[in-house]
Amino acid sequence: EIVLTQSPGTLSLSPGERATLSCRASQSLSSSYLAWYQQKPGQAPRLLIYGASRRATGIPDRFSGSESGTDFTLTISRLEPEDFAVYYCQQYDDSPWTFGQGTRVEIK
Amino acid sequence: EVQLVQSGAEVKKPGESLKISCKASGYSFSTYWIGWVRQVPGRGLEWMGVINPTDSDTKYSPSFHGQVTISADKSISTIYLQWNSLKASDTAMYFCARTPVAGFDYWGQGTLVIVSS
Repeated sequence: EIVLTQSPGTLSLSPGERATLSCRASQSLSSSYLAWYQQKPGQAPRLLIYGASRRATGIPDRFSGSESGTDFTLTISRLEPEDFAVYYCQQYDDSPWTFGQGTRVEIK
Repeated sequence: EVQLVQSGAEVKKPGESLKISCKASGYSFSTYWIGWVRQVPGRGLEWMGVINPTDSDTKYSPSFHGQVTISADKSISTIYLQWNSLKASDTAMYFCARTPVAGFDYWGQGTLVIVSS
């Protein structure tokens, strides 16, 4: 089973700042099969990024994804008030399609 | 408009059985796999498994294999998650979600299952 480790657990930032979230996979993913989701309290997760760097439909361009080997990064260039939420990465390269444990982005 | 509409919240006792549903609309049902994701209150997301509605081919997480059954009824564009004997530890929110094998792009609203004596 591929284990995804997200860091940090919590990120405290102010609106307008840049957020950098990390997701490390325990082994290589073929074809960059990694997605990022945003979840707000009481809501279902929302797909932000798939294929490590492709934005899902309707996702603002302040969200971007990148990869370097087994390290994946979600960057939010300038935090908007609605971006404060929990973010999860997920690999869909190999069954079971595991999730990371999440990173909470909170208002500083 | 793509929609996944899940059945309502359930309160059950340990040992009881349960089947919750997820009805898809707005797209060709057989084209996309659909999966189930568990979220224990205050915790993270756990991938339970996915099903191909075309032939009911199913992949389970080892953590859930043998504990639940995922099934599909093509005639009514609905997938199911079933337990034969619930435990208190099954208390959670359960989400269904569609996958084009590029993440889960559309999600249901969630079904809260509470198991308590």
